[in-house]
Amino acid sequence: GAVVSQHPSWVICKSGTSVKIECRSLDFQATTMFWYRQFPKQSLMLMATSNEGSKATYEQGVEKDKFLINHASLTLSTLTVTSAHPEDSSFYICSAALTSYTQYFGPGTRLTVL
Amino acid sequence: AQKVTQAQTEISVVEKEDVTLDCVYETRDTTYYLFWYKQPPSGELVFLIRRNSFDEQNEISGRYSWNFQKSTSSFNFTITASQVVDSAVYFCALSEAVNDSWGKFQFGAGTQVVVTP
Repeated sequence: GAVVSQHPSWVICKSGTSVKIECRSLDFQATTMFWYRQFPKQSLMLMATSNEGSKATYEQGVEKDKFLINHASLTLSTLTVTSAHPEDSSFYICSAALTSYTQYFGPGTRLTVL
Repeated sequence: AQKVTQAQTEISVVEKEDVTLDCVYETRDTTYYLFWYKQPPSGELVFLIRRNSFDEQNEISGRYSWNFQKSTSSFNFTITASQVVDSAVYFCALSEAVNDSWGKFQFGAGTQVVVTP
């Protein structure tokens, strides 16, 4: 199957700093990518839909100014957590869509904010 | 609105026992897709199966089997002769193919499976 990578795999940062997470589809082009967040022992919650060449659409309750998404190319979407705080510590997972029902998930990025 | 319910938070079994994970979903759309994913401690989601709403045929893949029943809006997953390597969190997910739900996955809460030797 297709491969989606995320970088970094894990990151520790100080409160108040910004962190950028990359999501790349390595062997296919994805017009649409999705970003999910997963807190410990909880389910994955969709944060936003990232569309190449246009603004991301955010789910209700997700602060767009806090979580900046840029889908710069058909193989790359980035999520920037701005002014991160301890409550932003979570597991962030992206997926890249070939079709609405064929998606490939990245391995996830574990963010810890001190 | 769509909703996926996995009522079982955790299931503990002894190796070689069978384990069935329940998944009940809600949707008003006639076209939708159901999925099962495995999430081991590493966190990476492992795709197990996809079913579309027009295909109610049950499926078996090795020790895994799935029972899709539209009449009860259920898509249950059974692991036969469980092994320690099956220990993980299993998620059921629903995706609708229309309009503003395009591609969005609604995940259930997940079921932690613990298989002991």
